[in-house]
Amino acid sequence: DGGITQSPKYLFRKEGQNVTLSCEQNLNHDAMYWYRQDPGQGLRLIYYSQIVNDFQKGDIAEGYSVSREKKESFPLTVTSAQKNPTAFYLCASSTGNNEQFFGPGTRLTVL
Amino acid sequence: ILNVEQSPQSLHVQEGDSTNFTCSFPSSNFYALHWYRWETAKSPEALFVMTLNGDEKKKGRISATLNTKEGYSYLYIKGSQPEDSATYLCASLSGGSYIPTFGRGTSLIVHP
Repeated sequence: DGGITQSPKYLFRKEGQNVTLSCEQNLNHDAMYWYRQDPGQGLRLIYYSQIVNDFQKGDIAEGYSVSREKKESFPLTVTSAQKNPTAFYLCASSTGNNEQFFGPGTRLTVL
Repeated sequence: ILNVEQSPQSLHVQEGDSTNFTCSFPSSNFYALHWYRWETAKSPEALFVMTLNGDEKKKGRISATLNTKEGYSYLYIKGSQPEDSATYLCASLSGGSYIPTFGRGTSLIVHP
């Protein structure tokens, strides 16, 4: 059963802590993406990776970091430098025509 | 950053009504336009991937058109049903980066 998984579904973090969101895909897609959604906003691109061991900053990369050591995995770390981290985070992967396949999302709340 | 605009922001219709929404995008260096449906508590799913000017695509009661010269796409739903209730997102891709830029979406609620 191919797809994208994200964990956890809900995440609570104390201010000042780093936290890592997991994203795994078994679709054999080369490209993977992280988006953030805030109320009333569209999906905004944080980071993307078009191939293993390579990734690029998106529109709102400040305060985030990623790694792409394996094709299947693209974890996102929200660092303490991110000023407003409370949001809904979506991971996606894509085929050659860039159609996005999305995971179920992680809702991060900073307490 | 590309500017992708969707209108209206939200829409309430009665079951059986037909409806349409608009996605506007920069027409220069156009590569592709995607439509996604995002139902509550689910992941967004692709409806259409459109690349050619004049493209018309259809899936059941939902169809879409594309005008790359003037930079807009319409999504039509014929005979709306409550299960069509969702947020409809469009995303524009330009040549060079091929990375989607999403609009804010149109939230559709179909009342029985």
